[in-house]
Amino acid sequence: RKEVEQDPGPFNVPEGATVAFNCTYSNSASQSFFWYRQDCRKEPKLLMSVYSSGNEDGRFTAQLNRASQYISLLIRDSKLSDSATYLCAAIFSGTYKYIFGTGTRLKVLA
Amino acid sequence: DTGVSQDPRHKITKRGQNVTFRCDPISEHNRLYWYRQTLGQGPEFLTYFQNEAQLEKSRLLSDRFSAERPKGSFSTLEIQRTEQGDSAMYLCASSSAQGQDVTQYFGPGTRLLVL
Repeated sequence: RKEVEQDPGPFNVPEGATVAFNCTYSNSASQSFFWYRQDCRKEPKLLMSVYSSGNEDGRFTAQLNRASQYISLLIRDSKLSDSATYLCAAIFSGTYKYIFGTGTRLKVLA
Repeated sequence: DTGVSQDPRHKITKRGQNVTFRCDPISEHNRLYWYRQTLGQGPEFLTYFQNEAQLEKSRLLSDRFSAERPKGSFSTLEIQRTEQGDSAMYLCASSSAQGQDVTQYFGPGTRLLVL
């Protein structure tokens, strides 16, 4: 079993839709979690860190569920420009390296 | 531009040749990371440095791969005797070692094609 797992998608949604992605992790000692956005052939760019209390940034909301060992990303009012791959990353206790999921592809359709 | 920079951005080489990539981190960042990403996969960790010390290496980093950060600033990743399976995007990231923030910021990557 992979340490961090994501549904690769693609998720095809119409403009204006709300879409949610989950990312599960296997190491209960995971300390920190992040969502990155990656456009085709570009580097990952930080979208948001994920805090235990949940956090929101405009149309984006991230949640952490430690009991069930997953993080989620909710995108409201999807825009065409949200089309990208969304990567989740975890840092496990005792290290600073990221463990990434495979990424979830999102296509927002006009 | 004060972000992470990488050079070259693209490299095409023949199998068996050696290649070297350079990464310049964000100037105040002590930690520097190398990852490799292939199509359809998330980045995979290769190694990381805190200042000039190489603190962790992945099993992915075979003996053909070597990374250095001699002065605790820029880093180089060398691949000797390249193989076609080395074709990938090589990403560098940096983070601060101060405080609680462990967020990593990525450079634009070096895309390697081994023919």
